[in-house]
Amino acid sequence: SQTIHQWPATLVQPVGSPLSLECTVEGTSNPNLYWYRQAAGRGLQLLFYSVGIGQISSEVPQNLSASRPQDRQFILSSKKLLLSDSGFYLCAWHGQTYSPLHFGNGTRLTVT
Amino acid sequence: RKEVEQDPGPFNVPEGATVAFNCTYSNSASQSFFWYRQDCRKEPKLLMSVYSSGNEDGRFTAQLNRASQYISLLIRDSKLSDSATYLCVVKRGDMRFGAGTRLTVKP
Repeated sequence: SQTIHQWPATLVQPVGSPLSLECTVEGTSNPNLYWYRQAAGRGLQLLFYSVGIGQISSEVPQNLSASRPQDRQFILSSKKLLLSDSGFYLCAWHGQTYSPLHFGNGTRLTVT
Repeated sequence: RKEVEQDPGPFNVPEGATVAFNCTYSNSASQSFFWYRQDCRKEPKLLMSVYSSGNEDGRFTAQLNRASQYISLLIRDSKLSDSATYLCVVKRGDMRFGAGTRLTVKP
């Protein structure tokens, strides 16, 4: 069966520090991969979307980047965190066109 | 206009009540539709997919109206455990979420 792993579960980082969140999917090939962010009390904001290795669509973030170095690995990075980057970061995947999203457990990031 | 919009809520209902949520989407080329449930400080979990002909899963019924570009979720005989935030999701390439509707079921 397919599983998705996301780590770390929680993270406290100072403003201006770098960030690296990693997500891996097992049990499937060529998944569509997503990074979402959820600010406290808000909805899910799509950050990045990838249909394959090296193919990444960016939505909003100015100081965040994503990479997909392997088929089932998706990494979210920042060189310098802002206070506004605090939130709940969720990695997700889906397979075929009409299949639903499956989420990792999320990373709760607090930037201090 | 947002791509996916939901009833803002919150909805506070007694146990046993029937409650309905609506969600509209702006892109007529949207391909697939889902309802998710999110508990506080947890990741969203799939509640049900939404099919063109409508579909039911126990107390939950989902419907899609492509002409009017909305999907709906009906919960019958509400339970305390139904208290959560309900999110609609629309796919047209990538997956877009509504802001969510908070439901509280009270004894």
